[in-house]
Amino acid sequence: DTEVTQTPKHLVMGMTNKKSLKCEQHMGHRAMYWYKQKAKKPPELMFVYSYEKLSINESVPSRFSPECPNSSLLNLHLHALQPEDSALYLCASSQDESGPQPQHFGDGTRLSIL
Amino acid sequence: DAKTTQPPSMDCAEGRAANLPCNHSTISGNEYVYWYRQIHSQGPQYIIHGLKNNETNEMASLIITEDRKSSTLILPHATLRDTAVYYCIISGYSTLTFGKGTMLLVSP
Repeated sequence: DTEVTQTPKHLVMGMTNKKSLKCEQHMGHRAMYWYKQKAKKPPELMFVYSYEKLSINESVPSRFSPECPNSSLLNLHLHALQPEDSALYLCASSQDESGPQPQHFGDGTRLSIL
Repeated sequence: DAKTTQPPSMDCAEGRAANLPCNHSTISGNEYVYWYRQIHSQGPQYIIHGLKNNETNEMASLIITEDRKSSTLILPHATLRDTAVYYCIISGYSTLTFGKGTMLLVSP
């Protein structure tokens, strides 16, 4: 069982839809992360939130919009996605952003863009 | 973050020790060695990390060479459930950059 919960587990959406991915942790962690993982590739960092503020944006297109409404929740808002955005989206958390802090991952949302 | 080199795949018999190597010759003094694994259809799972000294926990042991340019992750008694992609990552912070990893296949 993972301590980081991601919903939904699967999502199919059209290119004109707006949807959101959700991530929740109750470990008191103050850093949260979004990763994107294409098939047979390693995860790639997208965003880092530290104490509810965006600290790293790895040049992610604006059609991905992260939000951290409180210390336990992390959202990823999706709008006007492209077929190449189909991937596994992973959320992770760690105690804070300073190292060495192991990250705890959820099992991801598998996103398909039609 | 320093780059890592890992073999793309390894095999191990169930019950035997699995020794997964990682080269990180450009590691700097304040960077840690982290190991994660990813079982099919799951998120990555933290295994262990270390700076200079060897480390052991309930999952594995981490052996770091004295010059810190390479390390080995040891799973002492591999089971079928240890079949996964194992990632060796060098980082001075909690931010991780994943390489291609090693696909470990444990067979009966």
